[in-house]
Amino acid sequence: EVQLVESGGGLVQPGGSLRLSCAVSGFTLSDYYMDWVRQAPGKGLEWVGRIRNKVHSYTTEYAASVKDRFTISRNDSEHSVFLHMNSLKTEDTAVYYCVRDFLTAISGNTYTAFDMWGQGTLVTVSS
Amino acid sequence: AIQMTQSPSSLSASVGDRVTITCRASQGIGSDLGWYQQKPGKAPKLLIYAASSLQSGVSSRFSGSGSGTDFTLTISSLQPEDFATYYCLQDDNYPLTFGGGTKVEIK
Repeated sequence: EVQLVESGGGLVQPGGSLRLSCAVSGFTLSDYYMDWVRQAPGKGLEWVGRIRNKVHSYTTEYAASVKDRFTISRNDSEHSVFLHMNSLKTEDTAVYYCVRDFLTAISGNTYTAFDMWGQGTLVTVSS
Repeated sequence: AIQMTQSPSSLSASVGDRVTITCRASQGIGSDLGWYQQKPGKAPKLLIYAASSLQSGVSSRFSGSGSGTDFTLTISSLQPEDFATYYCLQDDNYPLTFGGGTKVEIK
């Protein structure tokens, strides 16, 4: 069974740091890109960032709202993905989801989608 | 960034109704669009990818169509378990962007 389990959320003061972890099981992490998506209380979904796999040199992409403050990393041998969050702001308060990227080819084109999600971990930034 | 405008933001419908939700991209995204369903307190669930491909295990009453800038999610006959919030997501360009969501409520 595929599972993604986030941990590391909690209460942090503005300007502080936090590291979220995502432990995966039931699939070979090294085969997949992985993303983080967040959802502020009562709000919609916001993409945070992506880390590609080793084949694509573990390169990353980020939303403008978190670029230069958040960093995504991974350890395939330990079946884990991480979201390092620095200089946290009150507007970073949200449930953070770890998400698996599903890549597929259709008629010669490659498509991605978020096919597996963790249960989410709540990060609250408040003084 | 590509803006995804989803409409309506909410709707009320009855069991058995045909429901249509639309998503419009601020620029062409080919077929790089997915649809997700989210129930309260739960993680989203993938319904449709590549604009019109049904995710494995998802009921065939869900269908997607469109390409370029205009996309549609259709629920052919609304069931009690379909009352939820639906989001589109474009993954054609970074940053990836979601629509604002459509809450489907019971009439």
